[in-house]
Amino acid sequence: QITLKESGPSVVMPTQTLTLTCTFSGFSLSSSGVGVAWIRQAPGKALECLALVFSSDDDRYNPSLRSRLTVSKDTSKNQVVLTMTNLDPVDTATYYCAHRPPTGYRHFDYWGPGTLVTVSS
Amino acid sequence: SYELTQPPSVSVSPGQTARITCSGDGLAKQYTYWYRQRSGQAPVLVIYKDHERPSGIPERFSGSSVGTRATLTISGVQAEDEADYHCQSVDSSDRFVIFGGGTKLTVL
Repeated sequence: QITLKESGPSVVMPTQTLTLTCTFSGFSLSSSGVGVAWIRQAPGKALECLALVFSSDDDRYNPSLRSRLTVSKDTSKNQVVLTMTNLDPVDTATYYCAHRPPTGYRHFDYWGPGTLVTVSS
Repeated sequence: SYELTQPPSVSVSPGQTARITCSGDGLAKQYTYWYRQRSGQAPVLVIYKDHERPSGIPERFSGSSVGTRATLTISGVQAEDEADYHCQSVDSSDRFVIFGGGTKLTVL
């Protein structure tokens, strides 16, 4: 059974750096074609994919946020870490991590429950 | 930049058929995926590869895609189907994921 769970601070001050951890089970990021994505949703807004990391180290980033994002993986711990710099109140959102299956298709079949991050002084 | 467009809201009475559309130039070449998101919960995949249904998703959920428009159809809508529905595809480079703006389905 695949599960994912996000963890990190619930409040971050403007201009600070946010670090979120996705801890997962039921699959390995060493398996060919498997991916994990970070996706966020501001209150009342659309879903927005931030970054994707694959077993092949083919990391992909949202072009509009690329300069602020870094994603890394620790396959021994079954974790993916997202770092976002220079936070602004508009970055207030629920942040999800999600599993992409190794099928070659572009969907996400399992999601974590999400973690709400508020950017405020 | 490439975008996916959904109607903000759709309303239907119980037992009727709801159709939610997703439009984008890239849909003519790429698959569309659909997620249901109930209030306060994470999204759940309900359709992948335009029309395939994951295990556990009721048969009343179906998907289709013609040209640059994809459609999620929910037949015999039930109160529990009230939720936001999001379409998803990939950008023109085929390397990154994009989502539509979401559609709120209200069951009257």
